[in-house]
Amino acid sequence: DAGITQSPRHKVTETGTPVTLRCHQTENHRYMYWYRQDPGHGLRLIHYSYGVKDTDKGEVSDGYSVSRSKTEDFLLTLESATSSQTSVYFCASDRGSGNTIYFGEGSWLTVV
Amino acid sequence: DQQVKQNSPSLSVQEGRISILNCDYTNSMFDYFLWYKKYPAEGPTFLISISSIKDKNEDGRFTVFLNKSAKHLSLHIVPSQPGDSAVYFCAPSLFYKLSFGAGTTVTVRA
Repeated sequence: DAGITQSPRHKVTETGTPVTLRCHQTENHRYMYWYRQDPGHGLRLIHYSYGVKDTDKGEVSDGYSVSRSKTEDFLLTLESATSSQTSVYFCASDRGSGNTIYFGEGSWLTVV
Repeated sequence: DQQVKQNSPSLSVQEGRISILNCDYTNSMFDYFLWYKKYPAEGPTFLISISSIKDKNEDGRFTVFLNKSAKHLSLHIVPSQPGDSAVYFCAPSLFYKLSFGAGTTVTVRA
């Protein structure tokens, strides 16, 4: 595993407030990802990063932004949380093989 | 636009028997195909992967078969054990990004 830690693991927030989830990896992996998982769906890609300060959108990026100022940290920000963003968020990383991507334990976010 | 489909939401198998999980995809450009196992309240755990240039990869009790012409892959688990009860996701990769199927819940009966 890639030593991925996510924080916070659980959060309840109010609609309209900003929220930041943090992902930290210890393997010096180049690629990092944020996914969300909802009932009836597999995991869906929100944003990903292919290097420091290099990020791009995934399939469900609306309402989210990301930043990567250091190789080991990848932040996901909900600018103004909505109830539709209640979900489980998973961070992942990969050294660049494309065939072995490791996931963190998840962050449970509830927007009320 | 569902590029990855796992048409069986659930599978029940007796301990010691074979579990076969199936996955169909539409994008012929996928270059790797990964399988993940997920327990409740945990992150997905990488199980096994296969390159698009191969048709079989084996690792212990897990074997993945790829049929590119049919855009189909399957994961075989033999023998199935109680600890294999989990949700299994098929996740093809393209340009270092994964696309996930909806998952198949496997229950291994004693």
